Amino acid sequence: LAKTTQPISMDSYEGQEVNITCSHNNIATNDYITWYQQFPSQGPRFIIQGYKTKVTNEVASLFIPADRKSSTLSLPRVSLSDTAVYYCLVGDMGGGYNKLIFGAGTRLAVHP
Amino acid sequence: EAGVTQFPSHSVIEKGQTVTLRCDPISGHDNLYWYRRVMGKEIKFLLHFVKESKQDESGMPNNRFLAERTGGTYSTLKVQPAELEDSGVYFCASSQELNYGYTFGSGTRLTVV
Repeated sequence: LAKTTQPISMDSYEGQEVNITCSHNNIATNDYITWYQQFPSQGPRFIIQGYKTKVTNEVASLFIPADRKSSTLSLPRVSLSDTAVYYCLVGDMGGGYNKLIFGAGTRLAVHP
Repeated sequence: EAGVTQFPSHSVIEKGQTVTLRCDPISGHDNLYWYRRVMGKEIKFLLHFVKESKQDESGMPNNRFLAERTGGTYSTLKVQPAELEDSGVYFCASSQELNYGYTFGSGTRLTVV
């Protein structure tokens, strides 16, 4: 499983767009990129997953450049409730991706 | 649909005692996982069930930990005897498909004193 690198922490203000970048230089051909969000005293929550280009859902967008060595999670117009830890995970979806490898994640603090 | 339910939410036990954690996955989810975060460390995989079978238990730390999933529904994770280093938050997750977003429970915070 490819190792990922994310900023330890980020700060933002309500209403701003937040972009969290994750580096995964050793990503393999079959690897997908998945992001989870975790609030205090809760388990991680799946946000979005992608393989290449751009993926968008009702919560976030995921931008993946052509070389796939990095990805950016974009949260539009954040609110105080988006304060959480965000994890970037990379794994082979077709080869029995049965275990998630969590890093330290990015601690996002949204301020009024 | 109901989410993944874990019980208890908190447990404080003395070193040497036994504790059993329970996880009720989302109904119909064949895949069930246990993870844990010990103090100051990252969330780590413990094991994976497919229905009642253990698919991967490579993350189980030692033989003091026993996971079961009789009948392929709920699962239990027993720690016997508990040690101080077992303190942490134990998460359960389930999924229908093997390789897509998992749904996690809120976790059980275990404190061994």
